[in-house]
Amino acid sequence: AQSVTQLDSHVSVSEGTPVLLRCNYSSSYSPSLFWYVQHPNKGLQLLLKYTSAATLVKGINGFEAEFKKSETSFHLTKPSAHMSDAAEYFCVVSESNYQLIWGAGTKLIIKP
Amino acid sequence: DAGVIQSPRHEVTEMGQEVTLRCKPISGHDYLFWYRQTMMRGLELLIYFNNNVPIDDSGMPEDRFSAKMPNASFSTLKIQPSEPRDSAVYFCASGGAGVETQYFGPGTRLLVL
Repeated sequence: AQSVTQLDSHVSVSEGTPVLLRCNYSSSYSPSLFWYVQHPNKGLQLLLKYTSAATLVKGINGFEAEFKKSETSFHLTKPSAHMSDAAEYFCVVSESNYQLIWGAGTKLIIKP
Repeated sequence: DAGVIQSPRHEVTEMGQEVTLRCKPISGHDYLFWYRQTMMRGLELLIYFNNNVPIDDSGMPEDRFSAKMPNASFSTLKIQPSEPRDSAVYFCASGGAGVETQYFGPGTRLLVL
């Protein structure tokens, strides 16, 4: 069965420092993996997706994620945090059939 | 493209009333999804449609909830009668055949008093 674990419910970083949001998944097959972002009181926006092409995936707003099959991880990173990155981030896995399994979310807090 | 459109954006109603949420998917998308988001339970898939046909409604919490998709450009989620525990943000999303990415609407924030 598929599952997604986001290892941190909250991450706090200073503006200008790197961001790391951790995600581990379990899947029986070759999954597709996504990161979605939700800004306060807004809808969900796709940040990036992995669908068995390059293992390092670049997304919008300077974010990227690396698929590591051996570690069953799909961590989200950004070299330098900006105040506008403050939001909740969801790691999502899908094997097929459009069923998305959502992580619990990680709230990213940016300190000035 | 206007993206996924949901209405109303906010709804405040009293317990026992009927609530109808509406969604217009992106033109050409064959899949439509209804989600509910709460602080306690996070994001939950309620039901999804493929070519206007309900495929999986196992996430619908109880018989008070029903969803329809009479045509490719419109879907409704109805709660009758509504209860305070139904208070949540309800999202509609659509996706195209062969593409797993789902595109989300802005959500409807429902408050049942």
